Amino acid sequence: GENVEQHPSTLSVQEGDSAVIKCTYSDSASNYFPWYKQELGKRPQLIIDIRSNVGEKKDQRIAVTLNKTAKHFSLHITETQPEDSAVYFCAASAGGSYIPTFGRGTSLIVHP
Amino acid sequence: ETGVTQSPTHLIKTRGQQVTLRCSSQSGHNTVSWYQQALGQGPQFIFQYYREEENGRGNFPPRFSGLQFPNYSSELNVNALELDDSALYLCASSPLGQTNSHSYEQYFGPGTRLTVT
Repeated sequence: GENVEQHPSTLSVQEGDSAVIKCTYSDSASNYFPWYKQELGKRPQLIIDIRSNVGEKKDQRIAVTLNKTAKHFSLHITETQPEDSAVYFCAASAGGSYIPTFGRGTSLIVHP
Repeated sequence: ETGVTQSPTHLIKTRGQQVTLRCSSQSGHNTVSWYQQALGQGPQFIFQYYREEENGRGNFPPRFSGLQFPNYSSELNVNALELDDSALYLCASSPLGQTNSHSYEQYFGPGTRLTVT
């Protein structure tokens, strides 16, 4: 089955800095890669996703890049703000059922 | 548009007991997936229901079972509870199979916190 590795487990940045979270996956058939943000005590929320036919996608301060050959994808957050502090999960899924396998999460801390 | 809801929000059970968790999917969504999230971990896939049929199952024992109703709401049943079953149980709905670019996006409910003592 699919295996998703996520790094780092904790990321501490100053407000205004950029943050990058990286994930690798094992199943070359994976074709959908969502990213979720989970604030303490709350549900995971989809923040951005990318499909395997696209190399990069941006949404305001958030961008995701995908390298299918190397089987890795990354989340980039620019101009970080304290409200970006949360746990971020990457996921990968393949096939028509789109059942994602999640990484272990990255705790992002943005210091004011 | 109504979001995903789950009940109850918290539950305390004793080892060996049985529990039923409920999920109402987002309006227009026909697929419900269930996940177990242990503290400090990512969600682990339990199973998925699509149009009332099981559409995939993760590495969980048979004492984890579920069903989906005609209105696409769903239940997760866990028999013979063990201490390790203590976790946040999340359901997520999606409009799988619909002919739009968002058919694979999953939206999570707030979760049910299960504590087994």
